[in-house]
Amino acid sequence: GESVGLHLPTLSVQEGDNSIINCAYSNSASDYFIWYKQESGKGPQFIIDIRSNMDKRQGQRVTVLLNKTVKHLSLQIAATQPGDSAVYFCAVDNTDKLIFGTGTRLQVFP
Amino acid sequence: KAGVTQTPRYLIKTRGQQVTLSCSPISGHRSVSWYQQTPGQGLQFLFEYFSETQRNKGNFPGRFSGRQFSNSRSEMNVSTLELGDSALYLCASSIGQGSYEQYFGPGTRLTVT
Repeated sequence: GESVGLHLPTLSVQEGDNSIINCAYSNSASDYFIWYKQESGKGPQFIIDIRSNMDKRQGQRVTVLLNKTVKHLSLQIAATQPGDSAVYFCAVDNTDKLIFGTGTRLQVFP
Repeated sequence: KAGVTQTPRYLIKTRGQQVTLSCSPISGHRSVSWYQQTPGQGLQFLFEYFSETQRNKGNFPGRFSGRQFSNSRSEMNVSTLELGDSALYLCASSIGQGSYEQYFGPGTRLTVT
């Protein structure tokens, strides 16, 4: 079955710097990928998604990069702000079910 | 547009009891998926309902069940509760079936004592 892993459980960045959160998946047939942000006490919040026919997609201050060759996904957050502090999950579609990674906690310090 | 709502937000139950959780999807969304989130196992898919039919199921025992009504609202039921069922139960809605663009509710925190 599909497995999804994040490279770092915690990432600490200074306010204003760029953040990069990485994710690896195992199933080369996966064709849909999502990034979610979860703040304490809340449900996951949709950030951005990408389909396998693309390798890059940009949103507001966020960019998702997909490298299908090495089965790697990353989320880039530009000019990281204190409000970006949260746990970030990547999720990968596997036969119409989302398989979630374990999450990376992003800590933003002044 | 209102987001996904879940009731109740918090629940405490005793082992052996059963529980029903409710989810109202975003207006116009016809698919509801349920997930269990625990510190040890992370976010795990329970099942998905679309047009009142369960179309996908995760690897959970039969004690976990669900249904969807004609207005797309969904309920999940857990019978014979075990301590290990303590978790945050999340529902997510999407316009169509499958995993595309799922939007989550705030979850129901279930504690089993």
